[in-house]
Amino acid sequence: GAVVSQHPSRVICKSGTSVKIECRSLDFQATTMFWYRQFPKQSLMLMATSNEGSKATYEQGVEKDKFLINHASLTLSTLTVTSAHPEDSSFYICSARGHRERGSNQPQHFGDGTRLSIL
Amino acid sequence: QKEVEQNSGPLSVPEGAIASLNCTYSDRGSQSFFWYRQYSGKSPELIMFIYSNGDKEDGRFTAQLNKASQYVSLLIRDSQPSDSATYLCAVSSNDYKLSFGAGTTVTVRA
Repeated sequence: GAVVSQHPSRVICKSGTSVKIECRSLDFQATTMFWYRQFPKQSLMLMATSNEGSKATYEQGVEKDKFLINHASLTLSTLTVTSAHPEDSSFYICSARGHRERGSNQPQHFGDGTRLSIL
Repeated sequence: QKEVEQNSGPLSVPEGAIASLNCTYSDRGSQSFFWYRQYSGKSPELIMFIYSNGDKEDGRFTAQLNKASQYVSLLIRDSQPSDSATYLCAVSSNDYKLSFGAGTTVTVRA
C-alpha cells in the first residue's frame, strides 16, 4: 500500500526554537497533504491543507505565521513550527492524497507522526 | 464546522465477543466515512471505509452506514486483545478534508 514517511518521529527542544517536520510520500505523487495536531486524549484536529505549488489553506484558529507549510514538490511537504513554546507541544501528523485519487472517496494515507515537546 | 460524535468509552468486551462502535455526524453533505484504529502514541491506521448505505464487511470488521439517520457504526467480531485501541470515526465531503470524532477506547479482556 501507499506509504507516507514523516520525520523526525520525536523532537525535544527549548522554547523559542523553530522546528521543521517533513512529510514524504514514498511511492505515489501527493497533490494534497494535510497536517493535523493531536493533544493528549483528544482527537485529530486539521490544521491546514497543503496543495503542491500553492499556498496552504489554514483552518480557523491556526496561525499561518506560526505554522509555516511548504509543499514544493509532489512528494514532500514541510511544517515549520516557528518560535515554539510549551503550548505547542503536541503530536503532529501528516497525511497525503495521490493525484490519481479523484474524488473524496479515497482514504488518506497517514505518516507515523512527530511528537514535539517544548521545554 | 462538521461535528462527529462518538461515545468515548471505554468499551470493555471479553475476548471473542463482538465490539460495537457508534458514530453520528452533523453534515448531511458528508459523502465518505472512515474508521481508523489508533494505538497509544501511534498515528491512525485505516480499518474500513464506506460510501453507500448498508453494510460492508472486511474480515472481522463490518461497517454500517445509514445516511438518513446520519449514523455509521463499526462491528468487530471475535474481538482479540490486539484489537484494544482507540477507534476514530472520520467523515469527509467533497473538500477531501477529514473531520474526526473524539474516538472510542476499546479494551478486549483476555
